[in-house]
Formats: sequence, structure tokens, C-alpha cells
Amino acid sequence: QVQLQESGPGLVKPSETLSLTCTVSGGSVGSGDYYWSWIRQPPGRGLEWIGYIYYSGSTNFDPSLKSRVSMSVDTSKNQFSLKLNSVTAADTALYFCARSPSATDLRFDYWGQGTLVTVSS
Amino acid sequence: QSALTQPASVSGSPGQSITISCTGTSSDIGGFNSVSWYQQHPGKAPKLIIYDVSDRPSGISNRFSGSKSGNTASLTISGLQAEDEADYYCSSFTPTRTRVFGTGTKVTVL
Repeated sequence: QVQLQESGPGLVKPSETLSLTCTVSGGSVGSGDYYWSWIRQPPGRGLEWIGYIYYSGSTNFDPSLKSRVSMSVDTSKNQFSLKLNSVTAADTALYFCARSPSATDLRFDYWGQGTLVTVSS
Repeated sequence: QSALTQPASVSGSPGQSITISCTGTSSDIGGFNSVSWYQQHPGKAPKLIIYDVSDRPSGISNRFSGSKSGNTASLTISGLQAEDEADYYCSSFTPTRTRVFGTGTKVTVL
């Protein structure tokens, strides 16, 4: 059974960088069979796709966040990570990591439980 | 990329059928057969219930069905049950190989 688990600081100061890691178990980040995404959900609001990374390091980001986002993958630890810089209160959200079996549709078949990140001084 | 448009809320009595619409453009829903639907209970991660417009993942009840016409996709829940009370989100692939979600619909079982 595939499981994804987000981890990282729950509180980030404005203008600083948000950093999160997703650890995958029951499957391999480096297998090349899947694309690995980050998705967020501001409190009381809907889902927002942030972007994905492939095992090779290839990425694709939502245009609205592209200038502030980076992602990386560590196949030796079976993890992938998100960095979002210059954060503001608008970046306060529940952050999910998720798996897609294909880059041609990017449906999300497995999700982490989510981790709440609050941006506040 | 603007969010897809869904009704804020839909309600129905147990046993009834309800349909949730998801309206996009010819650049997303209208351009691809890659619409998926997610169910999210409070405090939980979303769960994939429909992909490729009308396919169900293994283990998902056949009470959930999906369809598409032009730039609008629809999710129908038949035989509504108390456990179906949740938020539902549609999602579509886009020409830039990204994903866009719908605004979300709260389903209430009366």
C-alpha cells in the first residue's frame, strides 16, 4: 500500500521560505512510473495545484506560483520536496503531496494526510 | 489558469440522485478527456472517485458516475447515502500540462 507523509515547519515568517518534504513508502519515487505533486488548500477554501516533479528532476509549476516555487527529489531517501519563497499570509494553507500515474492527465490517486503551514510573524 | 466553476452546494434526501456540474473552457475540460473528481470529508485528504471523465478507481462505488458534454463535466451520485456528505472537487488537465481544480461543491444529505 502506497503511503505519502508530509513533514516540515508548521509556522513560517512572512518573506521567508516555506520548505516541506514528502516521504513515500510502499512505492519508489525513482521508478519513473509516477509524477509527484504538491497541492494546497487555504483554510475553508478549495484545492490549488502547485506543481509536480518527475524522478529525473523535470518539473512543471502552476503559472501563478512559478516565480516562487522550486521542487527537488531525493531518490535515495524516497522523498521529494517543495520550497516556496517570499511567503505571505496568503500562503497559509494545508499542504498535500500526491502521486499521479501519468503526466498526460495528472490525476492524483494517492495523497498524504496534509500538513498545515501558517505564515505569521 | 482560472478555477473551474462548480455550484457552492447541492443537497438531496437519502436514496435520491444528485448531479454536480463543473464548467470550464475549450482549453481545459473541452479539450481533454482528463477530468477527475475528488471527494473530501472534513479534516481528510481528498480521495479520487472518478478519472478520465467516467472511469472509477478500484473500490469506488458504482453509485458515482461521471460524464462530459462540451466544456462541462458532471458527477452524479445515485442512491444518496449519509456517508456521501462531503466536499467534491472536479479537476482538469490543461494544454500546458498542468492541473486546474474546480471551486468545490458541498453536498448535504438532508
